[in-house]
Amino acid sequence: QVQLQESGPGLVKPSGTLSLTCAVSGGSVVSRNWWGWIRQAPGKGLEWIGEIFHSGSTTNYNPSLESRLSISADKSKNHIFLTLRSVTAADTAVYYCARVRGVGFDYYMDVWGKGTMVIVSS
Amino acid sequence: EIVMTQSPVTLSVSPGERATLSCRASQSVNSNLAWYQHKPGQAPRLLIYGASTRATGIPARFSGSGSGTEFTLTISSLQSEDFAVYYCQHYNTWPGYTFGQGTKLEIK
Repeated sequence: QVQLQESGPGLVKPSGTLSLTCAVSGGSVVSRNWWGWIRQAPGKGLEWIGEIFHSGSTTNYNPSLESRLSISADKSKNHIFLTLRSVTAADTAVYYCARVRGVGFDYYMDVWGKGTMVIVSS
Repeated sequence: EIVMTQSPVTLSVSPGERATLSCRASQSVNSNLAWYQHKPGQAPRLLIYGASTRATGIPARFSGSGSGTEFTLTISSLQSEDFAVYYCQHYNTWPGYTFGQGTKLEIK
């Protein structure tokens, strides 16, 4: 049973860099899956951030975040990473990692972490 | 860009009754639609994928239907644990994954 656990600093200063880790257990990041990041700002809905393919060779990013975003993986640690630069208060949110499954255009997130809250404030 | 619109924003239903939630796509997404349940402080939970296939472990009272631009999530007999926010989601090569704005299902 795959389980995901997000971690990272709960507070980031404006214009700083947000760095989060997703630890994958019960499975491998090199299994043939995509691994994604999704966030939910306070009082808002879910927003897809981006994803990485198992080998780390391919990433897809939300166009609205792409210029500030990097997603990577460490196969030896079975971790997925999110780096978001030049953050503002609008990046305050609960950040989730998730396993992506599907075929063709039918892609969905079947396993989610419990999320980690990040507040951008001075 | 395909826009997913859910209705209603809030739905008030009594336990034991049926709840019907809608999701409309701005253009056809065939049957490529998923539904999630989200409770405060918890991870979102996949309910339905492929518009009508229940995910592993999801009770039979949850059903999904529709194709093209109109989709429905039906909960046949509401249990206390079903009161939550529900999201629909679609994937496309650009701009990626799109969620509806959510429907809050509350106790009447």
